[in-house]
Amino acid sequence: NAGVMQNPRHLVRRRGQEARLRCSPMKGHSHVYWYRQLPEEGLKFMVYLQKENIIDESGMPKERFSAEFPKEGPSILRIQQVVRGDSAAYFCASSLQGSSGNTIYFGEGSWLTVV
Amino acid sequence: AQSVTQLGSHVSVSEGALVLLRCNYSSSVPPYLFWYVQYPNQGLQLLLKYTTGATLVKGINGFEAEFKKSETSFHLTKPSAHMSDAAEYFCAVSLPQGGSEKLVFGKGTKLTVNP
Repeated sequence: NAGVMQNPRHLVRRRGQEARLRCSPMKGHSHVYWYRQLPEEGLKFMVYLQKENIIDESGMPKERFSAEFPKEGPSILRIQQVVRGDSAAYFCASSLQGSSGNTIYFGEGSWLTVV
Repeated sequence: AQSVTQLGSHVSVSEGALVLLRCNYSSSVPPYLFWYVQYPNQGLQLLLKYTTGATLVKGINGFEAEFKKSETSFHLTKPSAHMSDAAEYFCAVSLPQGGSEKLVFGKGTKLTVNP
């Protein structure tokens, strides 16, 4: 049973370009979460999605960032017009049900470098 | 709002010595509590979690943690450190069902194990 799959693992973008990070949750999981980890920081919640719905986006920056989890296919975290401060590790996680008390499983992360 | 404080961003122990990683939380209601481990350039792996019931929780790799409500703490321990325990450890909280679905993480403690 494959775990949470993220790609690409490493992505380099120039300032002003777009970054698209993909996440396939564990089989049977319909709850997806995105977290961002800045250097020397813990993980910060960004967004929680279920199929075709954004449930909680309280951690998403107001501009340039968007996320989706379509009926078919992986969840996508999209960052438009990237800036140096977007350089970070982005982790996707999934769970069978909502995360309160239930185990959520993390992917290995996508490392974004903006040059 | 919940918050998590991990005392000591770096902890160094000798192989075979006791490991103690401290975590204190702030929450308006008793939260669910988690410890995750992260090896370099990898995702997070769940070590253990507390939801309800017995306050001493045993996890993988010989780790355990005790929920102490009066001290708002959830410290992680292991009687005898192994070289393979060198990693970064994150404490996290979430609210019980009906609250936020997101995990709130501490900033992490990097554990070094000396031979």
